Amino acid sequence: EVQLVESGGGLVQPGGSLRLSCAASGFIFSSYSMNWVRQAPGKGLIWVSYISSHSDSTYYADSVKGRFTISRDNAKNSLYLQMNSLRGEDTAVYYCARKTSGHWFDPWGQGTLVTVSS
Amino acid sequence: QSALTQPASVSGSPGQSITISCTGSTSDVGDYNYVSWYQQHPGKAPKVMIYDVTNRPSGVSDRFSGSKSGNTASLTISGLQAEDEADYYCSSYRSSSTSWVFGGGTKLTVL
Repeated sequence: EVQLVESGGGLVQPGGSLRLSCAASGFIFSSYSMNWVRQAPGKGLIWVSYISSHSDSTYYADSVKGRFTISRDNAKNSLYLQMNSLRGEDTAVYYCARKTSGHWFDPWGQGTLVTVSS
Repeated sequence: QSALTQPASVSGSPGQSITISCTGSTSDVGDYNYVSWYQQHPGKAPKVMIYDVTNRPSGVSDRFSGSKSGNTASLTISGLQAEDEADYYCSSYRSSSTSWVFGGGTKLTVL
């Protein structure tokens, strides 16, 4: 079964840092590009970042550029999101999602909640 | 403010059909056929229902269909069932910036 499991969320103070992880299983992780998408409480989905299958390319939403860094370890079947200089507006559930051979996401993980508050 | 515009809510009775619109621009929805639709039940992860405007992944009911005209994409659900009640999000890939944009989401209520 194809599965994505996020971890690493929690409560962090404004200006702080957090590293999210996404463990992949059930597919050849190194063959797929991956993404992070977030959803603030009661709000819609917002794409955050993309990384190609072998980390050749990374892209970010303007709102997180320069503060967040996406990375992956294909040997560990894992995706990461290093989040620095966190702000209140970064409070959200963060989902990792596999990009298909096309331009849609499937599957998505169950998400991990990040709360930025003092 | 989301990049793609969807109605905040739609409703229908069991057995009826509903359509959810998704309006973007020539930079996303109107650029290529890279529009997808996701269903999200409360507290759950999104699930793809339609990709590349009109295609259904295996396992998705044929009651779900998609279309596009110009800068507006649409999701139609026919023969509404109680389990269709959920939030629906459209998404489009932006090739010019290698990014994805989502609509603000539409809450479907089955009366």
